[in-house]
Amino acid sequence: RKEVEQDPGPFNVPEGATVAFNCTYSNSASQSFFWYRQDCRKEPKLLMSVYSSGNEDGRFTAQLNRASQYISLLIRDSKLSDSATYLCVTRAAGNKLTFGGGTRVLVKP
Amino acid sequence: SQTIHQWPATLVQPVGSPLSLECTVEGTSNPNLYWYRQAAGRGLQLLFYSVGIGQISSEVPQNLSASRPQDRQFILSSKKLLLSDSGFYLCAWSRAGTNTGELFFGEGSRLTVL
Repeated sequence: RKEVEQDPGPFNVPEGATVAFNCTYSNSASQSFFWYRQDCRKEPKLLMSVYSSGNEDGRFTAQLNRASQYISLLIRDSKLSDSATYLCVTRAAGNKLTFGGGTRVLVKP
Repeated sequence: SQTIHQWPATLVQPVGSPLSLECTVEGTSNPNLYWYRQAAGRGLQLLFYSVGIGQISSEVPQNLSASRPQDRQFILSSKKLLLSDSGFYLCAWSRAGTNTGELFFGEGSRLTVL
């Protein structure tokens, strides 16, 4: 079993719609959680950290459920520019991050 | 400001040939440095990380090696490439002594082994 699992998608989303997807992690010692965004054939970049109480950054909302060991990302009012692969990332002790395989989102006009 | 440079951006190599990918970071001192590989349609696999000069930790046994000859220089090498070494190689750095989880990636090196 992969340590961090994601639905690879693609999630086809009409422009302006809301899309949400989850990520499950198996390491109960995971301490920190993040969402990264990766555009096609580009390097990943940090989108947002995920806090225990949930957090928003503009149109993006992240949630953490420690009991069920999953995190989620919700994108409201989707823009064409939101089309990308979203990588779920966890960190246990130390600075090593574990990446999921990514969820591909395609926003269409 | 900090920048990370990685090269070459693209290369095509025959099986059995050597490999050298270079990565340098500017604008920071004593960074943690990482090499990741991303196979087509798959997640990022951590290959090596380093917390200081000459200190290399290997995550996955393979025919690749890494070296850190200078504080802000990280090199990924192979003596003989395999077909399975094809992929997108990403160098990254993070600030030492912090647990922000933020990695700053280079633009990547796309390797095709034929």
